[in-house]
Amino acid sequence: DAGVIQSPRHEVTEMGQEVTLRCKPISGHNSLFWYRQTMMRGLELLIYFNNNVPIDDSGMPEDRFSAKMPNASFSTLKIQPSEPRDSAVYFCASSKGQNYGYTFGSGTRLTVV
Amino acid sequence: EDQVTQSPEALRLQEGESSSLNCSYTVSGLRGLFWYRQDPGKGPEFLFTLYSAGEEKEKERLKATLTKKESFLHITAPKPEDSATYLCAVHIIKAAGNKLTFGGGTRVLVKP
Repeated sequence: DAGVIQSPRHEVTEMGQEVTLRCKPISGHNSLFWYRQTMMRGLELLIYFNNNVPIDDSGMPEDRFSAKMPNASFSTLKIQPSEPRDSAVYFCASSKGQNYGYTFGSGTRLTVV
Repeated sequence: EDQVTQSPEALRLQEGESSSLNCSYTVSGLRGLFWYRQDPGKGPEFLFTLYSAGEEKEKERLKATLTKKESFLHITAPKPEDSATYLCAVHIIKAAGNKLTFGGGTRVLVKP
């Protein structure tokens, strides 16, 4: 089992550019989560999917953020246009369902300059 | 408002010096409480799930306990490799699906 795979590991981009983060969940997991982690705010849930359907996107900061899950093995988180305050580590996690712990990916460290 | 608070924010221990981390929660209904370990540059790693007051789980030098208002993570005779950030998270009954809300974490440093 390769675990949850995220790419890229690091991303440095200029303000105003579009950024796309990618995630491959564990096969057989039906829930997928996108979290953002900063020193100030800790781990914040941005959006999560159940069976490829977005269930709760109340954590998405604003319209610049969007997420898709076109199939059970792939999800993207897009920021357009990016801003310096978006700099953070973005984690993807997947789960088999209620009462199961999440398995997190290694994260994408995003720096917007 | 549902809240999860961890204390202390940071903990420095000598190797072999046992201690406890606290996770207090104020939620409308608890479905489960989770503990994770996070090493620098990595994603959180699942440790335990607790479901009801009085429940305990153990793994090596770690033991997690749960009451109606808080959970403790006890570290017995810690070693330097136990240095990490420990996160707790709650699964709230009213939350759709299996959404977890995380506390701010406790950074633990164990010195040899």
